[in-house]
Amino acid sequence: GAVVSQHPSWVICKSGTSVKIECRSLDFQATTMFWYRQFPKQSLMLMATSNEGSKATYEQGVEKDKFLINHASLTLSTLTVTSAHPEDSSFYICSASTSGDTNEKLFFGSGTQLSVL
Amino acid sequence: ILNVEQSPQSLHVQEGDSTNFTCSFPSSNFYALHWYRWETAKSPEALFVMTLNGDEKKKGRISATLNTKEGYSYLYIKGSQPEDSATYLCAFAQGGKLIFGQGTELSVKP
Repeated sequence: GAVVSQHPSWVICKSGTSVKIECRSLDFQATTMFWYRQFPKQSLMLMATSNEGSKATYEQGVEKDKFLINHASLTLSTLTVTSAHPEDSSFYICSASTSGDTNEKLFFGSGTQLSVL
Repeated sequence: ILNVEQSPQSLHVQEGDSTNFTCSFPSSNFYALHWYRWETAKSPEALFVMTLNGDEKKKGRISATLNTKEGYSYLYIKGSQPEDSATYLCAFAQGGKLIFGQGTELSVKP
């Protein structure tokens, strides 16, 4: 089946630094990629939707200048948490769609646990 | 805000037991309902995508039903095995995105 590789699996950083998370579709082209955040005991919350070659669409309440999303190719999307603070500590996970149509299944990465000290 | 509710939050069963859990979603403007299986330290894996009222889908010992008019879907596991231990997520599709429930955490004891 289709594989989405997400790196790193976990990262610890100091407050004020930036962290980049990569999400790659290894054996298919991802027209659309979604980035989610999950706090403990809560559901996956969509942060933004990105389509290859265009600007990401952010959900209400998500700061686009803080969470920079780049989807430069059909196989790679990156999420950069800029000037991270302890409140940004969370689990971040990406998913990819071959068509962008929500009546088709998504392929997920394995997630990144971010801890900001 | 659209709510997708899953119950129970967690479930502990013995190997061989059959079990089921529920996903409730808004009954208006239905487009699709997804079920995913998420094992610890792995990627969520798609089980089913259901689009039609009355749909029933099956994959091995796992099956799901859909009632879009009343806004619920059931996931059934027949003869649970320890390898079925995972969190099961449902997601409601609307407006080009998926809204996820909190999941049902299933633990199957040998």
